[in-house]
Amino acid sequence: GEDVEQSLFLSVREGDSSVINCTYTDSSSTYLYWYKQEPGAGLQLLTYIFSNMDMKQDQRLTVLLNKKDKHLSLRIADTQTGDSAIYFCAESGSGGYQKVTFGTGTKLQVIP
Amino acid sequence: NAGVTQTPKFQVLKTGQSMTLQCAQDMNHEYMSWYRQDPGMGLRLIHYSVGAGITDQGEVPNGYNVSRSTTEDFPLRLLSAAPSQTSVYFCASSYSKGQAFFGQGTRLTVV
Repeated sequence: GEDVEQSLFLSVREGDSSVINCTYTDSSSTYLYWYKQEPGAGLQLLTYIFSNMDMKQDQRLTVLLNKKDKHLSLRIADTQTGDSAIYFCAESGSGGYQKVTFGTGTKLQVIP
Repeated sequence: NAGVTQTPKFQVLKTGQSMTLQCAQDMNHEYMSWYRQDPGMGLRLIHYSVGAGITDQGEVPNGYNVSRSTTEDFPLRLLSAAPSQTSVYFCASSYSKGQAFFGQGTRLTVV
């Protein structure tokens, strides 16, 4: 089946840029997503990218997609303490839009 | 805006008990899903539905049943709870492109 992998932990200093990486195996992925989960809460969609795009920017967030290498990254510029959360990479495609496969999540710790 | 509402937020069950986790959405979304979240394993799909009357199994369906009699509701039933079902359960709904809206989760402990 499809697999999505992320590193488990990232620590950055406030004001620096954070880069969270993700790799996936499904070559039929149509959409790739980044979700944010704060403690005790559900997941919140941050941004998504269609598979025929290679970059998407939304304020402090930049998503880069390398479809050849099946690599997705999320860059957060000027990282703030409020960005501390778990970030999930996810993809949908061959299984249909409703079958979204999630990575294990990357816990971002922002040090003041 | 209510979005996706899950009840209860917390539940403790004894092994062998049954219960239903409720999920309701008010966005008229066709697609609804149930996930469980376990440490270090991300979210795993239990069951999903593409519309009223239509359900299908996800990655980890054993021990769970679902039904979808209306567009709004998608309850998840645990038939005979086991300690391995201790987890945080999330319901999600989406209308297209997989842009899912998640509920706040139900934290279930089976003792």
